[in-house]
Amino acid sequence: AQTVTQSQPEMSVQEAETVTLSCTYDTSESDYYLFWYKQPPSRQMILVIRQEAYKQQNATENRFSVNFQKAAKSFSLKISDSQLGDAAMYFCAYYRWYTGNQFYFGTGTSLTVIP
Amino acid sequence: ETGVTQSPTHLIKTRGQQVTLRCSSQSGHNTVSWYQQALGQGPQFIFQYYREEENGRGNFPPRFSGLQFPNYSSELNVNALELDDSALYLCASSSQTSGGNEQFFGPGTRLTVL
Repeated sequence: AQTVTQSQPEMSVQEAETVTLSCTYDTSESDYYLFWYKQPPSRQMILVIRQEAYKQQNATENRFSVNFQKAAKSFSLKISDSQLGDAAMYFCAYYRWYTGNQFYFGTGTSLTVIP
Repeated sequence: ETGVTQSPTHLIKTRGQQVTLRCSSQSGHNTVSWYQQALGQGPQFIFQYYREEENGRGNFPPRFSGLQFPNYSSELNVNALELDDSALYLCASSSQTSGGNEQFFGPGTRLTVL
């Protein structure tokens, strides 16, 4: 089974500052997808950003960007200009399509944004 | 476009009972996955349904079972409830025609087993 590790249970950032959340994963495959999901206190998981492993270019979505290091099996999320609405649990997830496909999630990082 | 919906929002059961949770997939999606999220943990994959058949299963016992209907909605059934089954149950829909690599989650059902 694949494993996804988020080593930072909690992080905090000042409003308008930048924060980076870490994620590492274990796989022997070369073609897969990585995701960051956000789960606010209201519980609904929302996709933040997606990275396809065969793409060398790091994905960006407005204030959110990733640093994808395939050889190191590292996938960090950078949030720039942090806003109060960014406060949530952030989950890193791994996915590879095959029969019985599933997402593997990390244990999450709780992000607090300080006004 | 209608998002993923789940019912009920909250549920309280006692040990040994049976429970059914429901999920309506997002419009245009033909695949439904179920996850169990214990407090303070990431979601754990239970199983996935595609074309009304189970299309993959995580490390959950047979007392966790499911159904998918022709309209792609789905049910999760749990028999002989145990205290450890208390968790948030998430449903996610996706489209196999687009590779299934983007899942859209519902708000979840919070199950408490006493």
